[in-house]
Amino acid sequence: DGGITQSPKYLFRKEGQNVTLSCEQNLNHDAMYWYRQDPGQGLRLIYYSQIVNDFQKGDIAEGYSVSREKKESFPLTVTSAQKNPTAFYLCASSKERTQYFGPGTRLTVL
Amino acid sequence: RKEVEQDPGPFNVPEGATVAFNCTYSNSASQSFFWYRQDCRKEPKLLMSVYSSGNEDGRFTAQLNRASQYISLLIRDSKLSDSATYLCVARTGNQGGKLIFGQGTELSVKP
Repeated sequence: DGGITQSPKYLFRKEGQNVTLSCEQNLNHDAMYWYRQDPGQGLRLIYYSQIVNDFQKGDIAEGYSVSREKKESFPLTVTSAQKNPTAFYLCASSKERTQYFGPGTRLTVL
Repeated sequence: RKEVEQDPGPFNVPEGATVAFNCTYSNSASQSFFWYRQDCRKEPKLLMSVYSSGNEDGRFTAQLNRASQYISLLIRDSKLSDSATYLCVARTGNQGGKLIFGQGTELSVKP
């Protein structure tokens, strides 16, 4: 099956810890994105990558880091510098005009 | 002012009703527009693109007014399964442009 997978589905983290969220796609899409969604709010762009080994900051990149070593993979690290990391994290990919989303990871900081 | 603004809702309607969602965007350089549907605690899924001439997909009709920077979504004969949050989305630039999401409008269809 073609699609976008994210793992884990739920993640709990203690304050001060870094965590990495996985995003993999087998759609052969060039561009990949990371968003966060807070309750009652729209999606906000964290980072995006148009091509392997290249990525750009989105609107709320502080406290996050990414890598794009392979076309299929775009992991997101939430660092301890992110002050309010509890949120729903969504990965997306696109080839032309449309973005398709993975099922998301719900991160909770304890 | 938010770049993409929507009626926050919630809209509570009976089955069979017609419901309309409105959305405005502030960036006149926006070139592409979409409606996404998001079920509770799930990822957004593309409902339909919005074309300048207006477009229809079954019970759903999308309209775009570039002069007023206004987008709408009309749902006719609403079903219980239409209950979800509907996200209005604008893209600036061509295929590399960023998507800007509205905060979503919640719809609840009751029996």
